Amino acid sequence: GAVVSQHPSRVICKSGTSVKIECRSLDFQATTMFWYRQFPKQSLMLMATSNEGSKATYEQGVEKDKFLINHASLTLSTLTVTSAHPEDSSFYICSANGQSSTEAFFGQGTRLTVV
Amino acid sequence: GNSVTQMEGPVTLSEEAFLTINCTYTATGYPSLFWYVQYPGEGLQLLLKATKADDKGSNKGFEATYRKETTSFHLEKGSVQVSDSAVYFCALSDLPHSTLTFGKGTMLLVSP
Repeated sequence: GAVVSQHPSRVICKSGTSVKIECRSLDFQATTMFWYRQFPKQSLMLMATSNEGSKATYEQGVEKDKFLINHASLTLSTLTVTSAHPEDSSFYICSANGQSSTEAFFGQGTRLTVV
Repeated sequence: GNSVTQMEGPVTLSEEAFLTINCTYTATGYPSLFWYVQYPGEGLQLLLKATKADDKGSNKGFEATYRKETTSFHLEKGSVQVSDSAVYFCALSDLPHSTLTFGKGTMLLVSP
């Protein structure tokens, strides 16, 4: 099956710094990628939809200036958490859809801890 | 709008017990339905899917049948194993490339 690689799997950063998370589709081209946030023991909350070559579409309540998304190619989307605060600590997961599929393929997730 | 409702957990079973996790949905069109599994500290993996009414998705002993008349997609397994302990998410998607709508997830704990 299709593989989506997310990196890093874990990151610890200091308050006020920025962290970049990468999401790559390894063996297919992803026209659309999605970024989710998951709080402990809760479901996935969609943050934004990222389309190659265009601006991301953010869900209501998600700060676009804080969570910068760049989908520069058909195989790479990045999420940058800017000026991170402890409340940004969470599990972030990306997913990618193939060009002709309703199926979403998920990355392994990134555990962000802001201290 | 679309929504997915699944039974709250945790579901606690002994090994070899029968599993059912209920999932019902509301959607404006004819969605595709999915079950995803999340093991601790990992992302989601597709477990099975069904794209039209009466389709049965199956994988690793798990099954779910797309029931349009009851708008349900219940997950079943005849004999669970300790390694099945995970969180299971029911989800739907009503268009290619569209977003998934997830249920809240159901934690399954299987003891030896």
